[in-house]
Amino acid sequence: EAGVVQSPRYKIIEKKQPVAFWCNPISGHNTLYWYLQNLGQGPELLIRYENEEAVDDSQLPKDRFSAERLKGVDSTLKIQPAELGDSAVYLCASSYRDPGELFFGEGSRLTVL
Amino acid sequence: SQKIEQNSEALNIQEGKTATLTCNYTNYSPAYLQWYRQDPGRGPVFLLLIRENEKEKRKERLKVTFDTTLKQSLFHITASQPADSATYLCALPPGRSSYKLIFGSGTRLLVRP
Repeated sequence: EAGVVQSPRYKIIEKKQPVAFWCNPISGHNTLYWYLQNLGQGPELLIRYENEEAVDDSQLPKDRFSAERLKGVDSTLKIQPAELGDSAVYLCASSYRDPGELFFGEGSRLTVL
Repeated sequence: SQKIEQNSEALNIQEGKTATLTCNYTNYSPAYLQWYRQDPGRGPVFLLLIRENEKEKRKERLKVTFDTTLKQSLFHITASQPADSATYLCALPPGRSSYKLIFGSGTRLLVRP
């Protein structure tokens, strides 16, 4: 069974540029999460989807961040415009039950110059 | 709000010894608690889930305890091996009815050969 797939693995951009991250969860997993992880810190939740509905986006900085999960499968997280402080690893995770374990992708490491 | 405290200092032990990592939380006791392992440059990997009515859970060389009176979980790795070297994250829901997880900052374990 394929795991959670994320792309790109690495992205370097200049500040004020846009960037997008893509996530393909494990087949059959209805719940999808985007987390942000800074160096030396644990993951912090940005947004949680149940199927195509964003059920918890209270931590998403909506002035520059947006996310979508069309058809309740793949998801995209966008930052526009990026700021220096956005440099971090963006992790996608999925789960098939609540409560249950989260299956994480390898993450997308963003560097904003 | 709920806070999770994990020792930020790395735990350095000799191969073959038992590693014990601590996770403390500050407010209400969650219905369950999870432990994850994270290797450098990789996403977290689920290890164990323990519920509030379970005092102890085991999986191979891993053992987790959950003390709701002390507001603490202990994570043990017996007969530790260099391959166990990683960062271990504690995670729990921020509310009794919440399905999302908040993570501690993790404790890095180094097992010397």
